[in-house]
Amino acid sequence: GAVVSQHPSWVICKSGTSVKIECRSLDFQATTMFWYRQFPKQSLMLMATSNEGSKATYEQGVEKDKFLINHASLTLSTLTVTSAHPEDSSFYICSARDKQETQYFGPGTRLLVL
Amino acid sequence: GNSVTQMEGPVTLSEEAFLTINCTYTATGYPSLFWYVQYPGEGLQLLLKATKADDKGSNKGFEATYRKETTSFHLEKGSVQVSDSAVYFCALNPSNTGKLIFGQGTTLQVKP
Repeated sequence: GAVVSQHPSWVICKSGTSVKIECRSLDFQATTMFWYRQFPKQSLMLMATSNEGSKATYEQGVEKDKFLINHASLTLSTLTVTSAHPEDSSFYICSARDKQETQYFGPGTRLLVL
Repeated sequence: GNSVTQMEGPVTLSEEAFLTINCTYTATGYPSLFWYVQYPGEGLQLLLKATKADDKGSNKGFEATYRKETTSFHLEKGSVQVSDSAVYFCALNPSNTGKLIFGQGTTLQVKP
């Protein structure tokens, strides 16, 4: 099946710094990618929909200036957590949708903000 | 609003036991329903899906039937294996936008 990668797989940063997470579809083109956030023992919560060549659409309650999304190409979307704080510590997961509208998920990125 | 509720885990079974993981949903309209599985250290993988009432999704011995009257999509397998140990997520797509709404996940542990 199709493969989606995320980089890095985990990151530790100091409070106030920015962190960029990459999501790549390795063997297919994805006009749409999704970013999710998962807290321990909780479900995945959709943060935003990333569309190639246009602005991302954010879910209610998600700060667009805090979580910057760039879908620069058909195989790459990036999520930048700006001025990270400890409450941003979480597991971030992306998915990419192919032409058959099947979503393939990345393995996730664990962020710890100290 | 739209939501998905799964039975709490962990579910611990012996090999070859029968598995049921309950999933109920609340949605407007006619959502598509999914089961995803996440093996340790890997991303979520689509296990099966159903797009309309009474549809049965099946894959790798797992089955789930879209029950509109009970708003349920319970996952079943007749004989589990140790390799089925994973976290299982029930999800719905309320309007075919691709915006999946997930349940909280159920951890399955199968012991030899």
